[in-house]
This record gives sequence, C-alpha cells and structure tokens, in this order.
Amino acid sequence: ETGVTQSPTHLIKTRGQQVTLRCSSQSGHNTVSWYQQALGQGPQFIFQYYREEENGRGNFPPRFSGLQFPNYSSELNVNALELDDSALYLCASSAGLAEYFGPGTRLLVL
Amino acid sequence: AQKVTQAQTEISVVEKEDVTLDCVYETRDTTYYLFWYKQPPSGELVFLIRRNSFDEQNEISGRYSWNFQKSTSSFNFTITASQVVDSAVYFCALSEGEAGNMLTFGGGTRLMVKP
Repeated sequence: ETGVTQSPTHLIKTRGQQVTLRCSSQSGHNTVSWYQQALGQGPQFIFQYYREEENGRGNFPPRFSGLQFPNYSSELNVNALELDDSALYLCASSAGLAEYFGPGTRLLVL
Repeated sequence: AQKVTQAQTEISVVEKEDVTLDCVYETRDTTYYLFWYKQPPSGELVFLIRRNSFDEQNEISGRYSWNFQKSTSSFNFTITASQVVDSAVYFCALSEGEAGNMLTFGGGTRLMVKP
C-alpha cells in the first residue's frame, strides 16, 4: 500500500453536473498530481500542486481545477461534466523521487 | 514534446515462460526519468522502477529485469519465469527534468499469464 487514499471509490453523475474528488497524500509528500485514465488507455496528466500552488498542467480545459490544502491533501473539481469525462481518476503524491498512486475514483457520467 | 510508445497492446504467455515488454520513448531533454508501473485489476498503479537518463546500467530485482538503452531510446522490462500473479497491465512512463513527476505514460501492455 502506498498510503495515498482517494474518495469516493465510485461515483455516478449526469452530464452538466459538477464533481469533487478527494485525495489524501502519503505522509511527508508535498507534491500531488492528478491523472485521468480512460478505459483501455494510459493515464493522462491533468495537473500538479506543490505547496498549495499549481505548478504544472496537462492538456485539460479550465473546467478541471484543483486545490491543495496545508496538510497536502487535495481536491480535483470538474465542472460541466461531459460524457467523455467518464474515467478512472488517479491521485499521486511524491516527495521528488517517484510518484505513488492511490486506488483511484471511477467516475461515470450519464 | 515527450512521447512513450508501448507497441505490444496484449501478450499472452504460459506460466514459467520469460516475457519482455517493450517501451520506446521520445524526449528532447537530456535529463529525464523512466518508470515502469503495474496495474492489477484493482486499478491501483504499483511503482516498479525508476531510472534516470544518466544511468544506463541494467537492473535486476528478483524475477524482474530492466534494459535501458539510450542509443535506441528504449527501456524494456523482462519478467523471468512468469507467474499467474504477474497478470496485469504494465505501463512505461517518462518524466522530463529532475523532479521525477508529471508523467507521460504509454498506452500499456496487458500481460496474461496462463497456468
């Protein structure tokens, strides 16, 4: 186990709604990244937070946003959900050596 | 821009066979890191190895070994004497720069080991 936890494990939403996913980092890790993994594909980098500031972003629209809190836990928010947002959302924490992933949240948009 | 290619989408072997998973990468950076992750059916990505661009030594860990060749931009992964528990999707990933994060993943190789 990596010590990275995510909630909820599964979620069903309808198109146009908003969703918030949560991640608790491994102790001592001040960097958190979020990835989207569509079915049958590799994970795609969404963004990264370091000490509560966004310091890297992948090719995702602004309706994907995030927060990192002083205890290094993190949230991923997605507004105006689209059908293509259905995926496994993975959170990863690191302290500079490698990224350690949580179990993910499976989001289904109907 | 960086890119990782795993040409083998699916491999099927019989237990105890050796199997090699291929990974080819593209990057313009001279400093980068390469990774392999395992994703069992539960979905969680399990870290296997991290290798920096300045270290081309091959590495062996139990039944796992990795061959890094900068000349061919490849970072291949071999499982010796495969076991049913090795069945999973394996991802190769690249991180440019010195931080070792913000990964670019390949499409993955699904390995099925049959008894």
